[in-house]
Amino acid sequence: DAKTTQPNSMESNEEEPVHLPCNHSTISGTDYIHWYRQLPSQGPEYVIHGLTSNVNNRMASLAIAEDRKSSTLILHRATLRDAAVYYCILSAGGTSYGKLTFGQGTILTVHP
Amino acid sequence: DGGITQSPKYLFRKEGQNVTLSCEQNLNHDAMYWYRQDPGQGLRLIYYSQIVNDFQKGDIAEGYSVSREKKESFPLTVTSAQKNPTAFYLCASSPRGQGRTEAFFGQGTRLTVV
Repeated sequence: DAKTTQPNSMESNEEEPVHLPCNHSTISGTDYIHWYRQLPSQGPEYVIHGLTSNVNNRMASLAIAEDRKSSTLILHRATLRDAAVYYCILSAGGTSYGKLTFGQGTILTVHP
Repeated sequence: DGGITQSPKYLFRKEGQNVTLSCEQNLNHDAMYWYRQDPGQGLRLIYYSQIVNDFQKGDIAEGYSVSREKKESFPLTVTSAQKNPTAFYLCASSPRGQGRTEAFFGQGTRLTVV
């Protein structure tokens, strides 16, 4: 499975935008880029996913580099509830049914 | 409400005993997955199933077994052969493979073996 590289931790202030980077230089043409987040002692929660084009939803935006070797999750206005571990995951969209392979993730701390 | 339910939330067992963790979903999803999470670590895939009566090993299947007799249920048995069973176990489901769609996770079962 293709690997992703994320910073171990990031900090932000409340109501400021947050840009969480992810490198995936070995991504293949059919890999989807997924982002999930996890609060302590809870199951992961889906945030967003995309293939080639930038994506927006009510939670966040996903900016994908033109060569697809990196992507950035954008939280437009961080709140205290956004403090979590954020996982960037590649998942095959072809016939392999795309199992999610989780790395260490980025611990996001949001300051009041 | 539709969702995925894991029970119990906390489970204690004596060393050497088998234990079964429950996972039920009413989302009509074809695929179901079991993950294990150790403190400060990401999730690791134990087993997954794309269809009833079929399942495949994930990255760390040794010491675990599963069954998929019904679409909505995917129980995980932690056997006595699992060397270090104490962990946080998470079940997930998705409409098809996780590649193109979002996965839904349960709230987890924290297993402690004493």
